[in-house]
Amino acid sequence: KAGVTQTPRYLIKTRGQQVTLSCSPISGHRSVSWYQQTPGQGLQFLFEYFSETQRNKGNFPGRFSGRQFSNSRSEMNVSTLELGDSALYLCASSLDVSGGASGELFFGEGSRLTVL
Amino acid sequence: GQNIDQPTEMTATEGAIVQINCTYQTSGFNGLFWYQQHAGEAPTFLSYNVLDGLEEKGRFSSFLSRSKGYSYLLLKELQMKDSASYLCAVRSPDGGSYQLTFGKGTKLSVIP
Repeated sequence: KAGVTQTPRYLIKTRGQQVTLSCSPISGHRSVSWYQQTPGQGLQFLFEYFSETQRNKGNFPGRFSGRQFSNSRSEMNVSTLELGDSALYLCASSLDVSGGASGELFFGEGSRLTVL
Repeated sequence: GQNIDQPTEMTATEGAIVQINCTYQTSGFNGLFWYQQHAGEAPTFLSYNVLDGLEEKGRFSSFLSRSKGYSYLLLKELQMKDSASYLCAVRSPDGGSYQLTFGKGTKLSVIP
């Protein structure tokens, strides 16, 4: 079956702009989580959506937001971009919240954002 | 707060055994995970421990001691393709749901 698909794979923005990233989970998966990965901080949790509801949110400013649609596809938005937002944004899907009983998250290849 | 520590880098020889340690201090515990991430690729799931003890899966094994807040990933018969970052993550209850907290990862280099 098809894996987790993230678009776009690469993008360059300037400070102050906004960006929207998209994630299509594995068919049948209802949970989508978003993570920010940087060399200095590693993988940091942004938020998780399950059945169109935000279940949890990490310690990021309100400029970071997301949503999930009825087909489980998810988008995340970052407004008023800052240089420090440059990172790889990873999306992960699972059958149940936070990996469920198996604990397994399936990650996409990520969207690499560069802010100039 | 949540804190997960693992070594930044390790080097091991092809064919050898390597142990990657992970210690954690979290408010609540609902499982510990290990993921493998090759450079430029997505993380992939390796193992999940929720009870104390050793879980073996082929060349890879993962151990958990909840009382000590400690886990390790054991890789046997190392192959060049095992060169990757290994991420330790803890799932903990958070406001009626759960949250996964990842360590910064251990970059393993396998040399001939």
